[in-house]
Amino acid sequence: EPEVTQTPSHQVTQMGQEVILRCVPISNHLYFYWYRQILGQKVEFLVSFYNNEISEKSEIFDDQFSVERPDGSNFTLKIRSTKLEDSAMYFCATVRWFSYEQYFGPGTRLTVT
Amino acid sequence: AQTVTQSQPEMSVQEAETVTLSCTYDTSESDYYLFWYKQPPSRQMILVIRQEAYKQQNATENRFSVNFQKAAKSFSLKISDSQLGDAAMYFCAYRIPYNFNKFYFGSGTKLNVKP
Repeated sequence: EPEVTQTPSHQVTQMGQEVILRCVPISNHLYFYWYRQILGQKVEFLVSFYNNEISEKSEIFDDQFSVERPDGSNFTLKIRSTKLEDSAMYFCATVRWFSYEQYFGPGTRLTVT
Repeated sequence: AQTVTQSQPEMSVQEAETVTLSCTYDTSESDYYLFWYKQPPSRQMILVIRQEAYKQQNATENRFSVNFQKAAKSFSLKISDSQLGDAAMYFCAYRIPYNFNKFYFGSGTKLNVKP
């Protein structure tokens, strides 16, 4: 069964550094999402992306965040200048057209020191 | 505003017994979808079961079933014949069908399964 994949599985970075988290969506899926889960807390919506543009973003998704599909396959989340509070699990999710559920990737654990 | 509430932060069940996890939601929509996701220690989010609000029949997937009470805005998950592998965080989630933009998640219930 097709799966959403994410790389790296774990990223450690120093405060102020830029990080790029990568996701490879399922091939026929059209809607893409990033979610964040701080340890022990709920899954929080960050941003949704459709037709090569952001369709919605949350308050968390400030100017330090950006998303893109640089090559038509990968879907990336960039954090320009990481903060300690950005330490979390970041999940990519995708939806097929007129489907019900989101398919989640395995997540990238980001640790900012 | 759409909100999803899981009032049980943690629950325990004996292996082979049945446990019910609670979820309530708030919405003014008449048509929507509800989901239960399982998150084991590996942190991968796995879909357990989904329910379309327009369907009166409760969804069932093997040992997992839901009790969907639309008027009460309640969506509980029943796990029968609990297994050690069921131990995980369980998240209730909601979305409306014409809005692909996001899911709303509850805060999760940690399920412990005792041998």
